[in-house]
Amino acid sequence: NAGVMQNPRHLVRRRGQEARLRCSPMKGHSHVYWYRQLPEEGLKFMVYLQKENIIDESGMPKERFSAEFPKEGPSILRIQQVVRGDSAAYFCASSPRTSGRTGELFFGEGSRLTVL
Amino acid sequence: GQNIDQPTEMTATEGAIVQINCTYQTSGFNGLFWYQQHAGEAPTFLSYNVLDGLEEKGRFSSFLSRSKGYSYLLLKELQMKDSASYLCAVRAGGGYQKVTFGTGTKLQVIP
Repeated sequence: NAGVMQNPRHLVRRRGQEARLRCSPMKGHSHVYWYRQLPEEGLKFMVYLQKENIIDESGMPKERFSAEFPKEGPSILRIQQVVRGDSAAYFCASSPRTSGRTGELFFGEGSRLTVL
Repeated sequence: GQNIDQPTEMTATEGAIVQINCTYQTSGFNGLFWYQQHAGEAPTFLSYNVLDGLEEKGRFSSFLSRSKGYSYLLLKELQMKDSASYLCAVRAGGGYQKVTFGTGTKLQVIP
């Protein structure tokens, strides 16, 4: 009964390159959230997706960042032309629904992006 | 928008009790979570409150007052392994309900 799986766990990119972060939600979960966390700071909401739909991307920068959750396969957070300020831990969380006690978020171990 | 406030840091002694407060301002409130996060690790679920009152789960309890926009997490019989960040998160909104996190409270337990 695997939890939320994120890969890669660590990613190093040079400025201007692209970063792709993948997230496979828990089995049976159709809701995926992406959060960004800078060192010593809280989790900042980026985007919320259901299968094949972006529900809320209000926390995601308009440029260079995109997210998808296809019918088949993991959710992907894509950062184009990375800059040093993109260095952070990116956490994915999934839930089976969005209400009640069972709407709790289950987090993956995170992907730590370092931009040189 | 939502405002969630919690103290940045706290220190407490092993074996003691500590209370971590969280205040929030939001519309369409529909639940408050507490998560624990050890350095370099994923947040893990501790508690969920949607009705006023106290929810107890072992050494951890969580309280909610919806009218005051206030919650606290109570940790009893502190252990060294309780040193971590404690994140308050609020679910709120209209059509769909986003979960927004506070900045977290870093708790250090000392001998």
